[in-house]
Amino acid sequence: DVQLVQSGGGLVQPGGSLRLSCAASGFNVGTNYMSWVRQAPGKGLEWVSFIYSDGRTNYADSVKGRFTISRDISKNTLFLQLDTLTAEDTAVYYCVGQNSWDLASLHSWGQGTLVTVSS
Amino acid sequence: QSVLTQPPSASGTPGQRVTISCSGDSSNIGSSSVSWYQQFPGTAPRRLIYSNNQRPSGVPDRFSGSKSGTSASLAISGLQSEDEADYYCASWDNRLNGHVVFGGGTKLTVL
Repeated sequence: DVQLVQSGGGLVQPGGSLRLSCAASGFNVGTNYMSWVRQAPGKGLEWVSFIYSDGRTNYADSVKGRFTISRDISKNTLFLQLDTLTAEDTAVYYCVGQNSWDLASLHSWGQGTLVTVSS
Repeated sequence: QSVLTQPPSASGTPGQRVTISCSGDSSNIGSSSVSWYQQFPGTAPRRLIYSNNQRPSGVPDRFSGSKSGTSASLAISGLQSEDEADYYCASWDNRLNGHVVFGGGTKLTVL
């Protein structure tokens, strides 16, 4: 069974930084496609970033230049570094595992972690 | 504003069949598969349908998906009270180096 266990998140002031972690079991972070998806309070799902198995990355325009996705293969963990945060980044952030042959097929989800940006 | 368009709400009575639509364009649904997700309040979404019409193990066969052109639909037959949830469609969009796009979500109410 695939399990994605998230940590990090919390309350941060505007302009601040946070790092989210997503530890995987039953699933190899280094050989699979993974993404971060977020959901603002009372709103829908928004894709944030993904990392291909070969290490290529992509970002939503709303976070490009401020967020960085990475992974530690030895720890089988995915990360999302959030910098220069604004109130619009307040959301629950989910790490997800994707099928390489159907990239919209998000087969496994972490439990989510809340990021609140407020002074 | 979401790239994929869903109705904000849908409803039905127990036992009924309900469908939820999802509309996109040639850069997403028209050229890629569609997935559907179910989300209960305070919980992570769960994959219901992938590759347009495939159900993961554990998903009841009351849930079915279809796609035609640049639109897709999720059908729920034999509606049950526990189906009351938010439903999201998703597809791959090949613009901007490729990314996942979602519908705005449909709140399903079981009357």
